[in-house]
Amino acid sequence: LAKTTQPISMDSYEGQEVNITCSHNNIATNDYITWYQQFPSQGPRFIIQGYKTKVTNEVASLFIPADRKSSTLSLPRVSLSDTAVYYCLVGYSSASKIIFGSGTRLSIRP
Amino acid sequence: EAGVTQSPTHLIKTRGQQATLRCSPISGHTSVYWYQQALGLGLQFLLWYDEGEERNRGNFPPRFSGRQFPNYSSELNVNALELEDSALYLCASSEGQGRFAGGYTFGSGTRLTVV
Repeated sequence: LAKTTQPISMDSYEGQEVNITCSHNNIATNDYITWYQQFPSQGPRFIIQGYKTKVTNEVASLFIPADRKSSTLSLPRVSLSDTAVYYCLVGYSSASKIIFGSGTRLSIRP
Repeated sequence: EAGVTQSPTHLIKTRGQQATLRCSPISGHTSVYWYQQALGLGLQFLLWYDEGEERNRGNFPPRFSGRQFPNYSSELNVNALELEDSALYLCASSEGQGRFAGGYTFGSGTRLTVV
């Protein structure tokens, strides 16, 4: 099973760029790296997914080095509404092989 | 396009009773997953259904069960409720074979409170 390690919490300020790094040393060849955002009492929301190098969408970028043993979620110019828990997930097939850790609790201050 | 819908939003039950939670996946999705999230904790995998069959289950006792209907909607049943079953129960769906590529889409959850 691919286990991930990410910081328990992070603080930042509005307008800053926030980078959250996730370690996944035993990632398998077919595994994708996926990030979710979760607000209190809501289901997680898909942010971005990647396999290698860099992926960018309208809300975030995902950087994956060549060895794929880690990845970094980059949130440009955060706002107060980005305060949430962010989960890094690694997997390809079957929900049972995908582990939701405790996530990173991101707090954005004015 | 409608997302994953769950009902009810909130459910209050007494210890020892049974609870039934429902989930409708995104149209075209055949895989449905159930997760339990206790307050302040991460998500724990419960069950995975695909094409009407239970494909896998997490480390939960048999009193947690469910089924998937021909229209791919799903039901989670929790029998003999215990206080520690109080949690947010989340349903997610994806395209078939449980492939994670493309990600799962989650519903807003059912908050189950056992008193």
